Amino acid sequence: GDSVTQMEGPVTLSEEAFLTINCTYTATGYPSLFWYVQYPGEGLQLLLKATKADDKGSNKGFEATYRKETTSFHLEKGSVQVSDSAVYFCALMEENQGGKLIFGQGTELSVKP
Amino acid sequence: GAVVSQHPSWVICKSGTSVKIECRSLDFQATTMFWYRQFPKQSLMLMATSNEGSKATYEQGVEKDKFLINHASLTLSTLTVTSAHPEDSSFYICSVRTGIMNTEAFFGQGTRLTVV
Repeated sequence: GDSVTQMEGPVTLSEEAFLTINCTYTATGYPSLFWYVQYPGEGLQLLLKATKADDKGSNKGFEATYRKETTSFHLEKGSVQVSDSAVYFCALMEENQGGKLIFGQGTELSVKP
Repeated sequence: GAVVSQHPSWVICKSGTSVKIECRSLDFQATTMFWYRQFPKQSLMLMATSNEGSKATYEQGVEKDKFLINHASLTLSTLTVTSAHPEDSSFYICSVRTGIMNTEAFFGQGTRLTVV
């Protein structure tokens, strides 16, 4: 079945460091790909998405490119801030699955001043 | 984006009692809502898909008699944890999809359930 694999955390960075969180997926069709962010004690917020190969999603300085050839959707940010500390989830949605999201295990990011 | 309200945000209950969690879409009609469960420091696992006016579709391994889902209207779905036990303690999150062609899901703020 479909699955999403993320790099394990926690990831600890200093402010203004470069961030990469790896995400790879396995899918039978052509899924849409997402990154969600979860702040402590809260629900999930959509960070960015890409719906087809070579699309680049971007928001708040974060970027991820849908790479079909490597089945990847790595999240990057050039300069992280303390306020970016959160758990990041990579997810996919297959069109023929009724809108069901399949999540990776989540990667906790901690940014130190 | 769409606004999804989940209530309560946290609840503590005694073993053996039942707890109801509400998920409301505030500014649109949601034909489909999803219920997820999240254990501490783990990912979200889909429990069931709730369709307005019909029975929910449960994922493999989820007890439908324990986790009762009712989607009585286009703006409200409820999850009732019946005869709760400590192992049911978890973070429950609902999400909605605004349309068949819409690939974006919007999430409620989640409910922290603690069974003592």
